[in-house]
Amino acid sequence: DTEVTQTPKHLVMGMTNKKSLKCEQHMGHRAMYWYKQKAKKPPELMFVYSYEKLSINESVPSRFSPECPNSSLLNLHLHALQPEDSALYLCASSQDLLNYGYTFGSGTRLTVV
Amino acid sequence: KNEVEQSPQNLTAQEGEFITINCSYSVGISALHWLQQHPGGGIVSLFMLSSGKKKHGRLIATINIQEKHSSLHITASHPRDSAVYICAASPFTDKLIFGTGTRLQVFP
Repeated sequence: DTEVTQTPKHLVMGMTNKKSLKCEQHMGHRAMYWYKQKAKKPPELMFVYSYEKLSINESVPSRFSPECPNSSLLNLHLHALQPEDSALYLCASSQDLLNYGYTFGSGTRLTVV
Repeated sequence: KNEVEQSPQNLTAQEGEFITINCSYSVGISALHWLQQHPGGGIVSLFMLSSGKKKHGRLIATINIQEKHSSLHITASHPRDSAVYICAASPFTDKLIFGTGTRLQVFP
């Protein structure tokens, strides 16, 4: 298995809802990433997990809460989002930090209404 | 000035044409990545380079470390190559610095 699988592919949520995005990989990669991408812009890094521990939080608002239950799974919990949080959320993994290629998922298209 | 600059921003080609996308960076790097993103879709990693040249099918990527410059070439372009191509630098950290992307359209 050489893929990063993200679910759901599309999500519409209200500003008072709580939802979660899921990312899964079975390549034995030890680093996992969440990116946010707005239309026609490059991805912006949100969080990095290395060996299941949060190593980077790019000053992301607390309404986004990452979780790494095990080495294959990465979640992003969403609560009280704003319409401007609507974006494509991409998960990626890498064998380890530095000097390794990245494998990206196909993303979750999130719309906040 | 962005640390990773790509040119051109937009590129239109006829099927069969040879295409070149350029990337210049101003930071020290451990590797340079070329990524492909189709509209509304996820990102596919095409190449990771730290020196020299790599080839995969009709795609060729080169890097000149001294000049801090990389190029992505597509030979015999095809409409299915239409996508956004993104150059991204790994500056000896666990972050990628992304270029703004090159939007390529190949017409039959």
